[in-house]
Amino acid sequence: GAGVSQSPRYKVAKRGQDVALRCDPISGHVSLFWYQQALGQGPEFLTYFQNEAQLDKSGLPSDRFFAERPEGSVSTLKIQRTQQEDSAVYLCASREQPGQGYGYTFGSGTRLTVV
Amino acid sequence: DQQVKQNSPSLSVQEGRISILNCDYTNSMFDYFLWYKKYPAEGPTFLISISSIKDKNEDGRFTVFLNKSAKHLSLHIVPSQPGDSAVYFCAASSDSWGKLQFGAGTQVVVTP
Repeated sequence: GAGVSQSPRYKVAKRGQDVALRCDPISGHVSLFWYQQALGQGPEFLTYFQNEAQLDKSGLPSDRFFAERPEGSVSTLKIQRTQQEDSAVYLCASREQPGQGYGYTFGSGTRLTVV
Repeated sequence: DQQVKQNSPSLSVQEGRISILNCDYTNSMFDYFLWYKKYPAEGPTFLISISSIKDKNEDGRFTVFLNKSAKHLSLHIVPSQPGDSAVYFCAASSDSWGKLQFGAGTQVVVTP
């Protein structure tokens, strides 16, 4: 597709439920990032993939959070035993190559509400 | 710890005037800075960037200024247009693959 696609757009989960959020990056993009954006805040880094390799997962807030990109394209962010503090917008972004030369393209995000 | 700070949560400016958005950072290792623009229910959109070896970068109506000694950057939009009404995020990077640290954002409202 032309842009980064995320699904679902909205997810309501009961506390304790497991959720899976999907990201389809721009075709051929090597770099893929996940960010978490709480209400009224800027996005915060969660994890980074270069192709299928997860090179940085320093931002994952707990071991309940897990991300994968097994074939170097689609990525899934999984949250186990969701808690109310997990309520946020989860943003995925992709970039053609690693580096700093220009910004990367974000998807529209998945808004997760834990009740 | 918040390493990138946008201390003005909102800014109102008249159409045709200049909008000036400010951003401060604390980490001297940051070497690349970006501004993103975000409309409601959409992801952030890249606007303009600047490397730490420069002090100014211009792209049409948008200019970013970097003052390394003060650890401060600003975004100037001139002239401001109604379509510029959005949340603007300042972001900074210090690693080779472009992981970003974002400020909390400034809501800009351009009035007719």
